[in-house]
Amino acid sequence: QQQVKQSPQSLIVQKGGISIINCAYENTAFDYFPWYQQFPGKGPALLIAIRPDVSEKKEGRFTISFNKSAKQFSLHIMDSQPGDSATYFCAASKELGKIIFGKGTRLHILP
Amino acid sequence: NAGVTQTPKFRVLKTGQSMTLLCAQDMNHEYMYWYRQDPGMGLRLIHYSVGEGTTAKGEVPDGYNVSRLKKQNFLLGLESAAPSQTSVYFCASRSTTEDTQYFGPGTRLTVL
Repeated sequence: QQQVKQSPQSLIVQKGGISIINCAYENTAFDYFPWYQQFPGKGPALLIAIRPDVSEKKEGRFTISFNKSAKQFSLHIMDSQPGDSATYFCAASKELGKIIFGKGTRLHILP
Repeated sequence: NAGVTQTPKFRVLKTGQSMTLLCAQDMNHEYMYWYRQDPGMGLRLIHYSVGEGTTAKGEVPDGYNVSRLKKQNFLLGLESAAPSQTSVYFCASRSTTEDTQYFGPGTRLTVL
């Protein structure tokens, strides 16, 4: 049973455009929703995270939108740059920090 | 402050061979995790530890064993490697006061 569903699998966006990656979760006990960014040959690194008591969180060009009733959340990358090309994982967790990851989205920003 | 380090970076094994992957962290974190990453599958939790001397099974524990004899080290063992264990293995750690997990650079393992 896949607890965190992520889409799309891959995404190509023009430089300066908006990249949008969507995730849906099933377990209402999840209380922490991070996004991780992974460059080729590197380990994932936390990009931005949100808790269900807020509907949006913004850090620079990166924004998480959270819809608790729909059990969905999304990552928006504004003014996408070639340096943003990476694989992005949404995730959800509860208790003891055990994180359930989505399957990832490979983002490519065209120069 | 090196963060999370993993040894080795690459390894090729033959079916049936054994090996141990070492994860070390210098952040004094209580919690440590082992994941495997396969194409199109995301990151799946193999085993984890909430403190020195304690370990627990994750989502895909079969074929693996772990030990946490020292707080800073978390070892992942493969007793009899199988081609299905070809993967990239990541270790992560976290403190008790924040949710962020810090990942190592990974070990790419190929089992022939």
